[in-house]
Amino acid sequence: GQQVMQIPQYQHVQEGEDFTTYCNSSTTLSNIQWYKQRPGGHPVFLIQLVKSGEVKKQKRLTFQFGEAKRNSSLHITATQTTDVGTYFCAGQTSYDKVIFGPGTSLSVIP
Amino acid sequence: DVKVTQSSRYLVKRTGEKVFLECVQDMDHENMFWYRQDPGLGLRLIYFSYDVKMKEKGDIPEGYSVSREKKERFSLILESASTNQTSMYLCASSLSHSPHTEAFFGQGTRLTVV
Repeated sequence: GQQVMQIPQYQHVQEGEDFTTYCNSSTTLSNIQWYKQRPGGHPVFLIQLVKSGEVKKQKRLTFQFGEAKRNSSLHITATQTTDVGTYFCAGQTSYDKVIFGPGTSLSVIP
Repeated sequence: DVKVTQSSRYLVKRTGEKVFLECVQDMDHENMFWYRQDPGLGLRLIYFSYDVKMKEKGDIPEGYSVSREKKERFSLILESASTNQTSMYLCASSLSHSPHTEAFFGQGTRLTVV
């Protein structure tokens, strides 16, 4: 079936280091969303990417959507302790279905 | 401010019990969803609804049913709870599904079946 994978599953970084999580789909996506879930919290929407090759920035966060619309990445520059949490991508398939990736859990060591 | 409210944060139920998880949204959203979240598996879709009285199976509907009698309320029912249904359950709503717009999540219900 259709799948959305994310790597890595876990990432531990020193505060100030950069962090990247990658999202890969088995099929072409019409769009992709990213969510952040703080420990003990619920997923909160960060951004949606629609166009092939699209790049969007939110302060220290950079989101990319691949040219083939089958992969995406989230890059955080100079991580802070407030970045701790699990980052999920969610891809919308051509069948109008949204599939969540398993998430990347980020720990930041002060 | 947008709000999705789930009736309980924590629930403990016995095997075989019928369990109701309630979700209410105040944004007049058409779409509502129930997910379960398990470590390493992310969010898996149980059921969704794009309109009142409408329901569609998600990826893991077995052992669950849903009810949407009013636009703002989407209930998840475990007909006969089993220990493998111990999980975090998340309700979400969104304005549009074609294309899908931002989903707003409730705070989650951690269900333990003993």
